[in-house]
Amino acid sequence: RKEVEQDPGPFNVPEGATVAFNCTYSNSASQSFFWYRQDCRKEPKLLMSVYSSGNEDGRFTAQLNRASQYISLLIRDSKLSDSATYLCGLNTGGFKTIFGAGTRLFVKA
Amino acid sequence: DAGVTQSPTHLIKTRGQHVTLRCSPISGHKSVSWYQQVLGQGPQFIFQYYEKEERGRGNFPDRFSARQFPNYSSELNVNALLLGDSALYLCASSLELDRSGYTFGSGTRLTVV
Repeated sequence: RKEVEQDPGPFNVPEGATVAFNCTYSNSASQSFFWYRQDCRKEPKLLMSVYSSGNEDGRFTAQLNRASQYISLLIRDSKLSDSATYLCGLNTGGFKTIFGAGTRLFVKA
Repeated sequence: DAGVTQSPTHLIKTRGQHVTLRCSPISGHKSVSWYQQVLGQGPQFIFQYYEKEERGRGNFPDRFSARQFPNYSSELNVNALLLGDSALYLCASSLELDRSGYTFGSGTRLTVV
């Protein structure tokens, strides 16, 4: 089993839709969790950290479910500019962040 | 403030050659990590340096090496290049070892022919 797994998609949604992605992880010792956004042929950019209590940043909401070992990202009122690949990353308290392969999102007009 | 800077942006090398990639972290960041990303996959961890010491090494062959300098900039070296080393090499800067997220540089796109 991979350490971090994501549905590769693509998710094709219309503008204004709500879309959610999950990311499952296998190491229960994982301590820090993140969502990154990566545009085509660009570097990943930190979207948000994921806290145990969940957190929200505008149209984006991240949740952590330690019991089932997954994190989620919810995007409300999708915009064309949200089209990108969304990477989850987690750190087990050591020296590296492990990334999933990413979920591709296409928002269409 | 300057972000994470990487050089060169693109590079074409021949099999068997050696390459050096460079990274300058955000001012004040003492941690630099290197990742390899091939098309369709997430970034794969290569090295992390913190306060000029190697703190972690990923599952890469000994052809890959790195170092961090007193000014916290870093170099990634790859010897005896293989076709499979063609990838986007990303440098990530962070304030702390594990709890803060990364700021990535724009990467070096290496093509081995």
